[in-house]
Amino acid sequence: EDQVTQSPEALRLQEGESSSLNCSYTVSGLRGLFWYRQDPGKGPEFLFTLYSAGEEKEKERLKATLTKKESFLHITAPKPEDSATYLCAPVPNDYKLSFGAGTTVTVRA
Amino acid sequence: EAQVTQNPRYLITVTGKKLTVTCSQNMNHEYMSWYRQDPGLGLRQIYYSMNVEVTDKGDVPEGYKVSRKEKRNFPLILESPSPNQTSLYFCASSLLTLAGTTGELFFGEGSRLTVL
Repeated sequence: EDQVTQSPEALRLQEGESSSLNCSYTVSGLRGLFWYRQDPGKGPEFLFTLYSAGEEKEKERLKATLTKKESFLHITAPKPEDSATYLCAPVPNDYKLSFGAGTTVTVRA
Repeated sequence: EAQVTQNPRYLITVTGKKLTVTCSQNMNHEYMSWYRQDPGLGLRQIYYSMNVEVTDKGDVPEGYKVSRKEKRNFPLILESPSPNQTSLYFCASSLLTLAGTTGELFFGEGSRLTVL
């Protein structure tokens, strides 16, 4: 069975303190990986899709990278508005989309 | 504006009283899906639909029904709600890619359901 694990569960950062979030998976025939951001009480918002090992994508202070076994979301010089829960999900083979439990990031000014 | 609209946003009901949560999208997406989100358990897929009249179970389908009679609508039906269905529910939609997978999902704002 496909498994998606995100770590750490929670991350508390000072403004400007860069860090990385991890998404590891055991998925046969990985077709890609989604990253989403979710603010409390709201629906997840799409950030990136990565399709192949070695691929990188950036958006403002966020950069996502992909290997065969895991993906990293790097947050460079975060600001308080980057506080959110970040979710990853492998692109499904069979339309069943399974999300990781998420990493909740809190950035203090 | 491209959006996924869910109603109601908040609902308190009692055990056994049938209810329907509606979901509508205006992006002509083939794929639609329902999720529930519970503390510590993350987002779990309930049902999904690849197109009109084509639906399938996700990871937690027990106690739920869906239908897809029109491309834009994908209602979630709780025939006899129980307290363990108290949760935050999200509807989402996406295009299907040429490779036969889902594209980026667009989520609704969520429906918070409490079953007493």
